[in-house]
Amino acid sequence: KQEVTQIPAALSVPEGENLVLNCSFTDSAIYNLQWFRQDPGKGLTSLLLIQSSQREQTSGRLNASLDKSSGRSTLYIAASQPGDSATYLCAVRRAGGTSYGKLTFGQGTILTVHP
Amino acid sequence: SQTIHQWPATLVQPVGSPLSLECTVEGTSNPNLYWYRQAAGRGLQLLFYSVGIGQISSEVPQNLSASRPQDRQFILSSKKLLLSDSGFYLCAWRGVGTSGYEQYFGPGTRLTVT
Repeated sequence: KQEVTQIPAALSVPEGENLVLNCSFTDSAIYNLQWFRQDPGKGLTSLLLIQSSQREQTSGRLNASLDKSSGRSTLYIAASQPGDSATYLCAVRRAGGTSYGKLTFGQGTILTVHP
Repeated sequence: SQTIHQWPATLVQPVGSPLSLECTVEGTSNPNLYWYRQAAGRGLQLLFYSVGIGQISSEVPQNLSASRPQDRQFILSSKKLLLSDSGFYLCAWRGVGTSGYEQYFGPGTRLTVT
């Protein structure tokens, strides 16, 4: 059974810092990995999707890397801003035709960026 | 463009009462649909998924059921709510993004069972 762990559980940084969020998964047979952002009381917003054959994806100040063999992914946020404050979730999709796109989520990292 | 709706946004129900949460998707056809629950301190848990009309798969045994009466409509129901059913319920659909198939989430329904 796939298990996804995110470290740290919470992170508080001053504005302008570069930071790294970590995600690890126990079963390396994944199809892809997706990073989401969730604001309090809201749904999830997809940030980045990395296919199992890819090493990284970038969008603006965000960069996500994937090391499938070691079961790890990192989300790098450059020059953090107070508006980046949210919970960040990673999720993996199992490889195989019977996965039907189902995702297994980590518990999330609560990020606070203070001015 | 595609849009996903959920209602109601918030709901307070007594124990033992019935439940019906609705999710609809616009701008796509025959999507895979998913119901998740996010309980305090427990992360997101997949409850049900559907690959087509009338096709429902349950991920965990529980007090809930799901139905898909139309292609873009997904309903989560219960005959008698339990306190443990409280949580944030999220509907999602799978579509093609810039990097491949991704899941897109609705705004969620906050359910409090009293």
